[in-house]
Amino acid sequence: QQPVQSPQAVILREGEDAVINCSSSKALYSVHWYRQKHGEAPVFLMILLKGGEQKGHEKISASFNEKKQQSSLYLTASQLSYSGTYFCGTDQTGANNLFFGTGTRLTVIP
Amino acid sequence: EAQVTQNPRYLITVTGKKLTVTCSQNMNHEYMSWYRQDPGLGLRQIYYSMNVEVTDKGDVPEGYKVSRKEKRNFPLILESPSPNQTSLYFCASSSGYRITKNIQYFGAGTRLSVL
Repeated sequence: QQPVQSPQAVILREGEDAVINCSSSKALYSVHWYRQKHGEAPVFLMILLKGGEQKGHEKISASFNEKKQQSSLYLTASQLSYSGTYFCGTDQTGANNLFFGTGTRLTVIP
Repeated sequence: EAQVTQNPRYLITVTGKKLTVTCSQNMNHEYMSWYRQDPGLGLRQIYYSMNVEVTDKGDVPEGYKVSRKEKRNFPLILESPSPNQTSLYFCASSSGYRITKNIQYFGAGTRLSVL
């Protein structure tokens, strides 16, 4: 039930953009995005509920296509602080029981 | 301050010696869960609990036990640890069913080494 994330890793220069994708084979109630810095706990970024909405958080936004069971995380004008591993978590029922992808390691260099 | 507290943060033990990792949350959350994190495998769910006395298996429950006798506590028990349970463990909690902004809060993690 683990969603599939792509790419596995990406390296960006400051100011560049990136897209991280998350795909599930199951119908989804919501998709959650988290960022984890090395050695720390995952930190919540945003939730997208079914309905195809797009949400934003400063220069980080995301979309959710419930027909395709896919979500994408958009990072624009990347900053050094964006470095970390990004995880999507999928909720199939609304009970907030999440299944996480294997993560995308994002590295932003000067 | 809203938080999920795990103890211990680091643990080195030997094969077969029973251990418990504690998890406590102060947000009155119904839902709690345990994950293990291994390189390249992401966060895999071990067990979860929808409320007191309600627990269920996640994707990788073998070798683990849990209990939920009180709402705030959700300990993870390894009855007979083995080296393949060496991992980074996270506890998480969140509010109940279908609340719009249902954020999972994570503990700081427990790094376990089984020799």
